[in-house]
Amino acid sequence: GNSVTQMEGPVTLSEEAFLTINCTYTATGYPSLFWYVQYPGEGLQLLLKATKADDKGSNKGFEATYRKETTSFHLEKGSVQVSDSAVYFCALNTDKLIFGTGTRLQVFP
Amino acid sequence: EAQVTQNPRYLITVTGKKLTVTCSQNMNHEYMSWYRQDPGLGLRQIYYSMNVEVTDKGDVPEGYKVSRKEKRNFPLILESPSPNQTSLYFCASRTTFGRNYGYTFGSGTRLTVV
Repeated sequence: GNSVTQMEGPVTLSEEAFLTINCTYTATGYPSLFWYVQYPGEGLQLLLKATKADDKGSNKGFEATYRKETTSFHLEKGSVQVSDSAVYFCALNTDKLIFGTGTRLQVFP
Repeated sequence: EAQVTQNPRYLITVTGKKLTVTCSQNMNHEYMSWYRQDPGLGLRQIYYSMNVEVTDKGDVPEGYKVSRKEKRNFPLILESPSPNQTSLYFCASRTTFGRNYGYTFGSGTRLTVV
């Protein structure tokens, strides 16, 4: 069946460090891929998406590229801020949305 | 403002006492869904609805009921809550046409069953 695997957290970084959160997927067909972010005490917000192979989604300095050959959709940011501290979920959508287990990011000044 | 509204935000109840968590969206979305979020398990789908009067089970439907009498509302019903239903619940919606569109989520309902 379809599934999403994310790296375990927490990921702890200093402000301005480079961020990578790994995400790989297993799916039949051609899923759309998403990153959602959950700030403390809030619901999930769509961060970025990619709908086909080689698409790059970007938003708020975050980027992720849909890599069909490696079935990956890794999230990256060149310089993180304290305000980026949150839980990040990778997800795929075919006929329904399937989430990874989430990765907590903690950024310290 | 386009949004999904859940109520209540926090709820503590006792085992066996029926409860309903409401969900309403103002975007005229056809598709609505309920998820529960548990540590280490991510979000798992409980039930979903493709449109009015059309509902179906997700991955973890046991102990839950839903109804979709109107397009905007999709309540989650726990007829006899148990402690293993203590969790953080999210309602979400999207337009049916185009799986490339992201979902809009509510702010969540934290339920504790004692």
